[in-house]
Amino acid sequence: KQEVTQIPAALSVPEGENLVLNCSFTDSAIYNLQWFRQDPGKGLTSLLLIQSSQREQTSGRLNASLDKSSGRSTLYIAASQPGDSATYLCAVLQGGSEKLVFGKGTKLTVNP
Amino acid sequence: GAVVSQHPSWVICKSGTSVKIECRSLDFQATTMFWYRQFPKQSLMLMATSNEGSKATYEQGVEKDKFLINHASLTLSTLTVTSAHPEDSSFYICSAWDSRDSPLHFGNGTRLTVT
Repeated sequence: KQEVTQIPAALSVPEGENLVLNCSFTDSAIYNLQWFRQDPGKGLTSLLLIQSSQREQTSGRLNASLDKSSGRSTLYIAASQPGDSATYLCAVLQGGSEKLVFGKGTKLTVNP
Repeated sequence: GAVVSQHPSWVICKSGTSVKIECRSLDFQATTMFWYRQFPKQSLMLMATSNEGSKATYEQGVEKDKFLINHASLTLSTLTVTSAHPEDSSFYICSAWDSRDSPLHFGNGTRLTVT
């Protein structure tokens, strides 16, 4: 059974700092991996999708990497801003499945 | 970008009544829609998966007679909470994609409070 773990559970940084969020998964037979952010009381916003054949994806100040063999992904946020404050979730899609398996998220606070 | 619209954003109902939540994909054809439930400060719990024109597939422990899901078209799915009770109070979120190779897009959720 696939398990997704996100470390740390919470992170507080000053504005402008570069930071890394970690995601690990137990079964490397994934189809793709997705990073989301969730603001309080809202749904999830898709940030980056990495297919299993890819190593990384970039969007603006965000860069997500994938090392399938070691079961790890990282989300790198450059020059963090207070507006980046949210909970970040990673989720993996298994091959042959339609269900995403979510981690419990990392709650990020960027202090002005 | 792709947009999923979910309505209502919040609803308060009396115990014993039914509530319908709509989920629409606005600019893509949602071949598959998913319904989640989220408890405070917890991660998402998948309730059911629905494909257009087919019966929904419910996760273990989710009562299909209480949570009726209809996916009648490629742009609309509905979740009806029947005979709601206070323990059904929760945050319900729908999501959709047009294929497994696409990002999963979420609605903004519905906060249901049953009094």
